[in-house]
Amino acid sequence: SQQGEEDPQALSIQEGENATMNCSYKTSINNLQWYRQNSGRGLVHLILIRSNEREKHSGRLRVTLDTSKKSSSLLITASRAADTASYFCATTGANNLFFGTGTRLTVIP
Amino acid sequence: DTEVTQTPKHLVMGMTNKKSLKCEQHMGHRAMYWYKQKAKKPPELMFVYSYEKLSINESVPSRFSPECPNSSLLNLHLHALQPEDSALYLCASSQDYISYGYTFGSGTRLTVV
Repeated sequence: SQQGEEDPQALSIQEGENATMNCSYKTSINNLQWYRQNSGRGLVHLILIRSNEREKHSGRLRVTLDTSKKSSSLLITASRAADTASYFCATTGANNLFFGTGTRLTVIP
Repeated sequence: DTEVTQTPKHLVMGMTNKKSLKCEQHMGHRAMYWYKQKAKKPPELMFVYSYEKLSINESVPSRFSPECPNSSLLNLHLHALQPEDSALYLCASSQDYISYGYTFGSGTRLTVV
């Protein structure tokens, strides 16, 4: 029951550059969350943005939400090799959390 | 304690075996979840427990049987699985299932032979 789609599917950048990934979803939401997953292990919660918020920051992360377009973006500034991972958006609607398709980010040292 | 602990980390089982996956959290979270993740795919929701009661079953085959003995523990009982059930099984918890971020365990890598 996946309702989000992310693009790009894969992104490769040099260390120090910024990385932007986008998420589109289909139905109304309570909030939207971003998660990171390293090497097929557990997911780590990065940031949550509520449906009445438009932008949120946490360290090197900046998330925007446009509910009229049903889309969100995650910006990672000054990327590091350790940021190499898969990034998923996830939306909570009436019942539970549905994940997007994910973006595979590779940061080249 | 801010972790969700899953055991075992790896499991290989035959199609006639019965095994269980275990998940534990001590953060006082009242919602717990099982997700299944195939390689290079997003996690897919299987079950949701809220206040120790099963609230959502995403049409999961009966060969997967969840159990929530108390507010800190969540089990997934496996019986007569198929090779296509091989995947990473993730447990997660949250304060509730709408307003807060989820804390995930590191998962159990299951291989059915």
